[in-house]
Order: sequence, then C-alpha cells, then structure tokens
Amino acid sequence: GIQVEQSPPDLILQEGANSTLRCNFSDSVNNLQWFHQNPWGQLINLFYIPSGTKQNGRLSATTVATERYSLLYISSSQTTDSGVYFCAGMDSSYKLIFGSGTRLLVRP
Amino acid sequence: EAGVTQFPSHSVIEKGQTVTLRCDPISGHDNLYWYRRVMGKEIKFLLHFVKESKQDESGMPNNRFLAERTGGTYSTLKVQPAELEDSGVYFCASSQLDRGQTQYFGPGTRLLVL
Repeated sequence: GIQVEQSPPDLILQEGANSTLRCNFSDSVNNLQWFHQNPWGQLINLFYIPSGTKQNGRLSATTVATERYSLLYISSSQTTDSGVYFCAGMDSSYKLIFGSGTRLLVRP
Repeated sequence: EAGVTQFPSHSVIEKGQTVTLRCDPISGHDNLYWYRRVMGKEIKFLLHFVKESKQDESGMPNNRFLAERTGGTYSTLKVQPAELEDSGVYFCASSQLDRGQTQYFGPGTRLLVL
C-alpha cells in the first residue's frame, strides 16, 4: 500500500511567521487531503487537493501528483494555528492513509 | 447542513468492559468510515461501509471489534471486551456516493481503558 511521510515532525514559530509543511507519498493517490487537528482533538478539513493549488485565507496548498508530494503553506501564523497537521492520501480501495503529522506550536 | 456527529465525546472504562461508539454521518452520504488514532501513533483505517454493507474491514484489529450500520444510516462500533491498548481517539468519516470524494470527519470519541 501507499506510504505517506510528513516533514518536519515538529515546528515552532513566532506569531506572524510563515511556514511550509511537506507531505510525500510513495505511490499514486486518488485524493489528497490536509487536516488540522485542533487542541480539542477534532480533525478539521483544510483542503481536498489531488492536484494543483488551492487557497483559503492564510492557508494554501499545492499538490504535484506526478512528483508525489504536497505542500501546505501557512502565512502570517497565529496562535490558533497551533495543533497537528495531517495529510492523507486515498489509496485504490478508497481508504485514507495518514502521515504521522506535523506538530505546530505558534508562540505569541 | 449538520456535519458528522459522534457519541459519546469521551468514554472511560475498565479493562474487560464493553463500550459502544456511535456515528451519525452527513445526511445522504452512503460511505461511512471508521478510523482510530492510538496514543502517539498515526491515524489508521478500521473499516468502510457503503450503505449498510461492509465494503472493507481490513483494518479491524481483531474480533473484539464489531461494527454495524443497520439501515444504512448511523453506525456503531462495539469493543468487547476492551483492552488497555484500545485507548485512543476513534474517528468516523463520511463521503458522498463517489468514493473518491472528500471524507468529512466527526469530532472523534476519546476512549480510555483503565
């Protein structure tokens, strides 16, 4: 099955800084999703992005399917951005395979 | 439109007891998935329903776990008897009939087995 790797595992930012999170996947995926797990443990959908670029406010994501990676950009980070960011690729049987996450801490 | 809901939000039980988790998918979503994140590890797939049928249960860890989706609406996941290693967060997700579509996740049930 596909494997999903995320980097970096941990990231500490000062409020206002920008960051890039990376997700590599080992094989073709039908779908690629980014999630934010907030401090209460809830998984919030950020992007459904099998290819191309999407933007939503201070967040944007780019997936280059042919090169098997996706990037999540966070600009002008805020303390509320803290939490764990997961990417997940959908395999051929339509289940999501998650990476191990990037734990982000934004300091005021 | 209401999102995916899960009940209870938290459950603390003793080893050997039984716990039943419930998931209500988004109305009209035929696909329903269960995932879990045990302490410090990745979120992993458990099983997938299409309407009331189990499409894929390859992620179910053992026969102490039983999932049902009678009538193709809500689903339950029963753990009997619970073991310490079952502790974690259990997520439910749903998607529209086209299985390649976005999966929307519920808030999760935090299970602690003592």
